[in-house]
Amino acid sequence: QQPVQSPQAVILREGEDAVINCSSSKALYSVHWYRQKHGEAPVFLMILLKGGEQKGHEKISASFNEKKQQSSLYLTASQLSYSGTYFCGTEEYAGNMLTFGGGTRLMVKP
Amino acid sequence: KAGVTQTPRYLIKTRGQQVTLSCSPISGHRSVSWYQQTPGQGLQFLFEYFSETQRNKGNFPGRFSGRQFSNSRSEMNVSTLELGDSALYLCASSRVVSYNEQFFGPGTRLTVL
Repeated sequence: QQPVQSPQAVILREGEDAVINCSSSKALYSVHWYRQKHGEAPVFLMILLKGGEQKGHEKISASFNEKKQQSSLYLTASQLSYSGTYFCGTEEYAGNMLTFGGGTRLMVKP
Repeated sequence: KAGVTQTPRYLIKTRGQQVTLSCSPISGHRSVSWYQQTPGQGLQFLFEYFSETQRNKGNFPGRFSGRQFSNSRSEMNVSTLELGDSALYLCASSRVVSYNEQFFGPGTRLTVL
């Protein structure tokens, strides 16, 4: 079952902050975050693992609440380059396939 | 190092035909996953291969199949094309399965007329 992302779309001014949420109805092993710019391939941002381990880009922060099967991606002091569609992908157990949410469109304006 | 490459980049087919798409992963990556991306359904997992073995399969009909070769290159095949198969097909590679970032290729845009 596909995780649910919210909001579906958000518009920001440069320098503003945003939070993108990803929620699953199933217990999760890991949550992955990717960003896709228009006409380009998705690019890896971060992985959060059950138990607290995580890896990803230094300037990106995220959280994973295992009890609630929810993850949030925090975008602070947004820049124009942050614009794109953000996808969360969830893994129910190690080695399971990634199931992606419907995406959150983020637009940062000058 | 070179990224994931997919060929062809664009393809136009008619209903009933079949198509084969190719993906070359990053050197040293043994896992290859395929996704279908459409505006309405988002990114949907098709299948994943690791060391020539299919490890996971998404919820797609049997018309969709794939394989992986000993050099980790992968192909996916869609037989008896339907209009609804029009989509961007993305391939992603990673070094190992699970807890590992995936590197996506540019995709193959398939249009079925």
